[in-house]
Amino acid sequence: QSVLTQPPSVSGAPGQRVTISCTGSSSNFGAGYDVHWYQQLPGTAPKLLIYGNTNRPSGVPGRFSGSKSGTSASLAITGLQAEDEADYYCQSYDTSLSGWVFGGGTKLTVL
Amino acid sequence: QVQLVESGGGLVKPGGSLRLSCAVSGFTFSDHYMIWIRQAPGKGLEWVAYTTSSGRTIYYADSVKGRFTISRDNAKNSLYLQMNSLRAEDTAVYYCARPMAGVTSTPFDYWGQGTLVTVSS
Repeated sequence: QSVLTQPPSVSGAPGQRVTISCTGSSSNFGAGYDVHWYQQLPGTAPKLLIYGNTNRPSGVPGRFSGSKSGTSASLAITGLQAEDEADYYCQSYDTSLSGWVFGGGTKLTVL
Repeated sequence: QVQLVESGGGLVKPGGSLRLSCAVSGFTFSDHYMIWIRQAPGKGLEWVAYTTSSGRTIYYADSVKGRFTISRDNAKNSLYLQMNSLRAEDTAVYYCARPMAGVTSTPFDYWGQGTLVTVSS
């Protein structure tokens, strides 16, 4: 059971908007630690998608955006494309566990 | 460009040992903290071990404390993970990754391709 809770799967049609939630607690998000998001395409390593709650690394399309409020965070993908089909993970730091924590991952299916 | 290349994975019996390596290029290795993260087959991500740039401060996940040792050789731009007393539950792809900045609230901005460790009799 992951410290950060994500839905196991989401889906959407090409062009649509989908959101992936990530629920934390008072010892991670609530303690002020940032959320970061990763995209993992099948058979590849995770790739940093969003960092510091809302920031996109160079090269990440503007279709991807992140937000955080209280003990929850979310990743939004607009204008869904077939190439977005992947697993998405949220990540933060937990002060009670004294370590980095990840969500269980959400599989995005593009219909 | 930044490259992290892991090696050393393979099949090992329970109770056995393995040493993973991560060769780094494209950035000043000695300036950066580093971390090992693993992913069991079909499962999520779990941090394993973390070292500061000098190697003087090290953190381990409870699941590997006392069995795994992280080390680095800044002269060789390399990161290592010595894994002893391996268990079936250590079976995973092991990634080395670079924390972007700082210790706690940092993302990991570069990852290697991973090396598979399988613990089975």
